[in-house]
Amino acid sequence: DIQMTQSPSSLSASVGDRVSITCQASQDISNYLNWYQQKPGKAPKLLIYDASNLETGVPSRFSGSGSGTDFTFAISSLQPEDIATYYCQHYDNLMSTFGQGTKLEIK
Amino acid sequence: EVQLVESGGGLVQPGRSLRLSCAASGFTFDDYAMHWVRQAPGKGLEWVSGISWNSGTIAYADSVKGRFTISRDNAKNSLYLQMNSLRAEDTALYYCARVPFGESHFDYWGQGTLVTVSS
Repeated sequence: DIQMTQSPSSLSASVGDRVSITCQASQDISNYLNWYQQKPGKAPKLLIYDASNLETGVPSRFSGSGSGTDFTFAISSLQPEDIATYYCQHYDNLMSTFGQGTKLEIK
Repeated sequence: EVQLVESGGGLVQPGRSLRLSCAASGFTFDDYAMHWVRQAPGKGLEWVSGISWNSGTIAYADSVKGRFTISRDNAKNSLYLQMNSLRAEDTALYYCARVPFGESHFDYWGQGTLVTVSS
C-alpha cells in the first residue's frame, strides 16, 4: 500500500505570509495527488487536483507542484479565511490514501 | 444544485450492525464513482471504500475489509454502506464523496453522518 507522509503537522504564520506544505509518497504516484481544505465542522473541499490544477472557483493564491514522490502545496499570501486543516490525497483505481493533515493557524 | 446527503448514523453497541445511506441529487449519479471516507473525532481523514459507476469494481480499506459492504442503486441515486461487527474504533463521521468518471479526485462531499460505537 502507498503511504503519504505530510509535513508539518501544524503551522503558524502571519497574514500575508507565504506558507507551504509538503507531501511525500512511499512510491512513484506520477501526478495522482490532490489537496483539500477542511474548516472546522465542515466537509473537505477540493483545492488542487492532479498535483497542480486549480479547482474551479478556488483563489489563485493556492497552488500545487510536484510529481513522482514529492509534492508541495503553497498559499502565496495567507488570508484569515485560510485557517483550516489541509490534506494531501493519493487516488488511483478506486483506492485512496490521505496524508495526516496540516493544521494552519494565524500567528 | 449538487447534493449528497448522508443518513443512518447513530449510537450502536460493539458487534452490532448499521447501514448508512447517501442520497444524491443535482447531477447524473451514474457518471460518478462513489466513496465513503470517515473521520474519527479530532482525527484526520481515512478512506473507507469506493465503488465504480456500475458496481463492477469495489475497493475497501484493510481496516474494514470483511466487515463493511458498499453498494449503490443507480435507479434510486443512492449509495450505501452496510457496516457489520462494529468496533469502538469505527466511531467517526462518515462522509460520502464522488469522483467524476475518468478523474482521480473527490470533487464533492456530503456533510457526513455520525456513527458512535459504544456500549
